[in-house]
Amino acid sequence: AQSVTQLGSHVSVSEGALVLLRCNYSSSVPPYLFWYVQYPNQGLQLLLKYTSAATLVKGINGFEAEFKKSETSFHLTKPSAHMSDAAEYFCAVSDGGGSNYKLTFGKGTLLTVNP
Amino acid sequence: NAGVTQTPKFRVLKTGQSMTLLCAQDMNHEYMYWYRQDPGMGLRLIHYSVGEGTTAKGEVPDGYNVSRLKKQNFLLGLESAAPSQTSVYFCASSYSTQGGFFGPGTRLTVL
Repeated sequence: AQSVTQLGSHVSVSEGALVLLRCNYSSSVPPYLFWYVQYPNQGLQLLLKYTSAATLVKGINGFEAEFKKSETSFHLTKPSAHMSDAAEYFCAVSDGGGSNYKLTFGKGTLLTVNP
Repeated sequence: NAGVTQTPKFRVLKTGQSMTLLCAQDMNHEYMYWYRQDPGMGLRLIHYSVGEGTTAKGEVPDGYNVSRLKKQNFLLGLESAAPSQTSVYFCASSYSTQGGFFGPGTRLTVL
């Protein structure tokens, strides 16, 4: 069974500061990992994904994440926060196939950006 | 190309009423999913489908039924709504390992 743990349900940063959102996963097979962003009253938008290619993955809006197998982690970072980054972020894991590609989500981290 | 659409966007039901949520995708994806989102719980998988005519249970299937009669549509039914089913429902579709494309959600309140 797969699972995802997002450390910190709420992260607050100042505009221009580093953003670090933590995600640890558990999977019995090589995982596929994803970060999604959800703006208020909207659906989920894919930020980036790791699918067993390069371990450092770059996504949209300046975000990136590094897959570390030894730490079972896939933390999301952005060097300089912008007000428009305020949203809820979800980490998700897939077993990479099997037969359904379904996603298991973490509980989410709400990012607040202070001026 | 509309992506994934969901109908309706909002709905209020009384306990015991039934309703069907419609999800449609125009990307020719084989895989479709229904999730529910509750505060502090993330998204939890209700049911999913790996192709036309197939469905399977997810993590929280009780009280819901689904059908996938056409490849582009995935219906979620509530036969007898309960207050515990008050939630935001998201449909998603995908192909292979690319993650899911999500619809805008349906906000359901059961009184």
